[in-house]
This record gives sequence, C-alpha cells and structure tokens, in this order.
Amino acid sequence: DPKIIQKPKYLVAVTGSEKILICEQYLGHNAMYWYRQSAKKPLEFMFSYSYQKLMDNQTASSRFQPQSSKKNHLDLQITALKPDDSATYFCASSQHLYEQYFGPGTRLTVL
Amino acid sequence: GQQVQQSPASLVLQEGENAELQCNFSSTATQLQWFYQSPGGSLVSLLSNPSGTKHTGRLTSTTVTKERRSSLHISSSQTTDSGTYLCAIDRGSALGRLHFGAGTQLIVIP
Repeated sequence: DPKIIQKPKYLVAVTGSEKILICEQYLGHNAMYWYRQSAKKPLEFMFSYSYQKLMDNQTASSRFQPQSSKKNHLDLQITALKPDDSATYFCASSQHLYEQYFGPGTRLTVL
Repeated sequence: GQQVQQSPASLVLQEGENAELQCNFSSTATQLQWFYQSPGGSLVSLLSNPSGTKHTGRLTSTTVTKERRSSLHISSSQTTDSGTYLCAIDRGSALGRLHFGAGTQLIVIP
C-alpha cells in the first residue's frame, strides 16, 4: 500500500485559476514538506511543517499556501496560476530532521 | 552558487560494471540522503548517510563530512538501475530543508 498519497497524479489548469494539491502520509511522521521540480532544474524546497506548524517557507510568492487540516495531511493551494508554475510537485514526510520519504508527485501543467 | 554538486552528470555502463557517483557540498551537512529518480519521475530514498560508510544491497555510500563529500558505489549494475541519482543535504538549519544536486543520469546497457 502506498505510504504517501498525492492527488491528483496529473493536473492541467488554465492561467489565472486556482488548484489544490493533496498529500496524505501514513508513515506516522510528524514533519511534512513540499518540493517542486521544474524542467531541467534541481528539486527545490518549498515548505516544511512540523507538528502541523509552519517551520520554513522558501517560496517567494504568497500564491502558494500550504494547508494542514490533520497531522498527516499537508495540501498545497496555488492561486492565480501562471505557466511558470508548471512543474512536478512532490510531498515528503519524515520524523523531524530524519530521513525524508517522497510521494509519487503531482504533475501540474498550466496553459 | 550551487550548494550540492554531483558528478559525473551522466554515465553509461555495460551491465555488470560498477558505478561510482560523487557528491560535493559547499556547507556543513547534518543530513545527507541519496535518492533514485526513475525515468517515470518517482523518487525513492536509497540511503541516509551523513557520515561514515553505509551498505544496503549493492549500494555503498561513504561520506567524509570534514571534506564535504559523499560517494555512492553501485556494484554489478543492472539495466533496472538506469535512472537519475540525486544527492541532497540538510545544512543543519533544524528546518528540514533538503538542498538537492542536479543528479547523475545513469544508463546501463545490456
């Protein structure tokens, strides 16, 4: 059974719209993260949460908002989508500061 | 500048050959992980090795923290090992932020 679930697997959106990327982990971890992988760029860190509290935010734009409704959930809301937001978004989890495990990713295409 | 540098950028091996992948980093690392990214894009954690030597299966990682470098040795390569190998470090910010290298693309031919 998959331990980190990301939904949807693929997402196509129009410029200016809003989307929510879902992440749930069943590893019993207390920390969760979002990373982004754009074409031909290394994976880049976006957010970290520990015990449902924001620890670190490395996104320059407020259009990206993480939302943690339960301790094993960390969704990512993206508003006013732009073509440059096209990327694969990975959710990860860990015990705080230990080895991180990644979900399968959501591939977002903004037209 | 880039905090994590991986070499080589790409590597082609005949099945059965060994591979040596390098990771150099420009700052202190309190955590270091090696990942495998499949051609389909999924990411799998291979090893967590902030210092010393660790083995798992055909993989051996050696990290020399003082010299800010780590290596990943893959023995007896198989075609299914083809993909991208990523090195990532946590600089000790206590925030869980991993910095990734650009990866080594490995192609193993039969």
